[in-house]
Amino acid sequence: KQEVTQIPAALSVPEGENLVLNCSFTDSAIYNLQWFRQDPGKGLTSLLLIQSSQREQTSGRLNASLDKSSGRSTLYIAASQPGDSATYLCAPLTQGGSEKLVFGKGTKLTVNP
Amino acid sequence: NAGVTQTPKFQVLKTGQSMTLQCAQDMNHEYMSWYRQDPGMGLRLIHYSVGAGITDQGEVPNGYNVSRSTTEDFPLRLLSAAPSQTSVYFCASSYTSFGGETQYFGPGTRLLVL
Repeated sequence: KQEVTQIPAALSVPEGENLVLNCSFTDSAIYNLQWFRQDPGKGLTSLLLIQSSQREQTSGRLNASLDKSSGRSTLYIAASQPGDSATYLCAPLTQGGSEKLVFGKGTKLTVNP
Repeated sequence: NAGVTQTPKFQVLKTGQSMTLQCAQDMNHEYMSWYRQDPGMGLRLIHYSVGAGITDQGEVPNGYNVSRSTTEDFPLRLLSAAPSQTSVYFCASSYTSFGGETQYFGPGTRLLVL
């Protein structure tokens, strides 16, 4: 059974700082891995999707990397802004006959002005 | 496109009542799923569907029923609501269930069972 761990659970940084969010998963048999953002009281918005054959994916100030063999992914946020404050969730899409997204519990990020 | 829509946004039920949470998508997606999100538990998969007429159970299916008669709609039925079903429910969809497909989520339904 796939288990996903996100560290840290919460992070508070000053505006402008570069930061890294970590995600680890136990089953490396995945199709891809997505990073999502969730604002309070809202649904999830997909930020980046990395295919299992890729090493990284970039969108603006966001860069996600994937090391499938070691079961790790990181989300790098450059020059953080208060608008980046949200909970960030990672979710590998697991293989094995019934493809499913399995979510970590998320990292709650607060960027202070 | 409206994307993934969910109704109602908020609902209060009494123990034992039944209700249906509605989910619809207008992107012609084959794959649809229901999650519940609870504090400290993260998102857990309830049921999913890989196409019209095909459904399967996720991690926490007990107390919930689903059907998929059309590509667009994937309702979630609570047969006899219990306080343990108090949660936020999210519906999601993607073009297929595997490959390089981004999952799109609805805004959620907040359910309180008294």
